[in-house]
Amino acid sequence: DVKVTQSSRYLVKRTGEKVFLECVQDMDHENMFWYRQDPGLGLRLIYFSYDVKMKEKGDIPEGYSVSREKKERFSLILESASTNQTSMYLCASKLRRGGEQFFGPGTRLTVL
Amino acid sequence: ILNVEQSPQSLHVQEGDSTNFTCSFPSSNFYALHWYRWETAKSPEALFVMTLNGDEKKKGRISATLNTKEGYSYLYIKGSQPEDSATYLCAFISSGSARQLTFGSGTQLTVLP
Repeated sequence: DVKVTQSSRYLVKRTGEKVFLECVQDMDHENMFWYRQDPGLGLRLIYFSYDVKMKEKGDIPEGYSVSREKKERFSLILESASTNQTSMYLCASKLRRGGEQFFGPGTRLTVL
Repeated sequence: ILNVEQSPQSLHVQEGDSTNFTCSFPSSNFYALHWYRWETAKSPEALFVMTLNGDEKKKGRISATLNTKEGYSYLYIKGSQPEDSATYLCAFISSGSARQLTFGSGTQLTVLP
């Protein structure tokens, strides 16, 4: 079974703090994704990566950066957290173009 | 940004009822259409990956159809059960960027016992 894990289920941070969200997958997938989910808006893509050290902006990259130093790990970074970044963050991975995505359990981030 | 719409936004049905919901997506540059089920406190899980116009897929009491020419897909649940309660998401993949999924906002289904 593919397993995608995220470092925290719940996280509370203060405005201005630097926040790291970690995601690890164990099935050697090339492609990894970060989404945020807000009520009524569905899943919106923040960034994705199709190879080590490669990254591409999704639909809402502003205020975020990512890092992919190893194939199995994809990190989302909030350089200076703001209250409008309070959300559920989901990581996903997939093997190939068009293939199904496998999701992590999500991190609910609250920025005070 | 591609436009993927799902309707209805939410739905309450009685146990045993059959139900269906719709996903609309661009009819050009089609590559694939996915359906996911997202139960509360769990991760979204793939139900179907659909690639061909006219595709019909089935998993137990759940089935899906695909019309790429007119840009819609239907998800059907026959004889709904309380364990079917979840948010159902569709995701469109364009041939222009087949790594990237564009999700609809989902249909939240509640099946009342």
